[in-house]
Amino acid sequence: AQKITQTQPGMFVQEKEAVTLDCTYDTSDPSYGLFWYKQPSSGEMIFLIYQGSYDQQNATEGRYSLNFQKARKSANLVISASQLGDSAMYFCAMREGLTGANNLFFGTGTRLTVIP
Amino acid sequence: EAQVTQNPRYLITVTGKKLTVTCSQNMNHEYMSWYRQDPGLGLRQIYYSMNVEVTDKGDVPEGYKVSRKEKRNFPLILESPSPNQTSLYFCASSYDRTGPYEQYFGPGTRLTVT
Repeated sequence: AQKITQTQPGMFVQEKEAVTLDCTYDTSDPSYGLFWYKQPSSGEMIFLIYQGSYDQQNATEGRYSLNFQKARKSANLVISASQLGDSAMYFCAMREGLTGANNLFFGTGTRLTVIP
Repeated sequence: EAQVTQNPRYLITVTGKKLTVTCSQNMNHEYMSWYRQDPGLGLRQIYYSMNVEVTDKGDVPEGYKVSRKEKRNFPLILESPSPNQTSLYFCASSYDRTGPYEQYFGPGTRLTVT
């Protein structure tokens, strides 16, 4: 079974609007971490945000927030006030266990296009 | 500056010609990993290393070798490359500590095998 599922291959959003990128995960480990990475057309992987399985609050980093619904095993990324520079590929990833040395499992990604 | 470096960034080679992609990190990270990225498949792990002289297979290890003789370096070796290894390769590293420690990624190596 897929550990990370991203069901939206592509998404469009109007500049200055908010957008939600979906991510569901599958694990039986009670300790895990969830990550979102951005990959612009230049190809590098940029870390955006992290949510630990025991974190009570949803993670936020500037215009990025992670809508963590543990019972539904979902970890959606919300980008507020979209900018043209947000056009990129976005990957959701999960690490089972809470140390940095555990392997990351990636979804297939969502390509976001911001329309002026 | 904290970073993961990879070389070369781009490589076109022919089937069967051995090649090595180097990876180096300057953050004293214990954990290092190699991924390949293919369209529609996301990133898949090839090999990883928990520390010097400790390496293990990821999800797609066939056709690859790695070594970890020094903490900072984790080269990826393709002994006899084939066209199905044409891909975008990423090296990553992380601390082996509990907490929100993300993996730092190198800039990627785009490999074409003809």
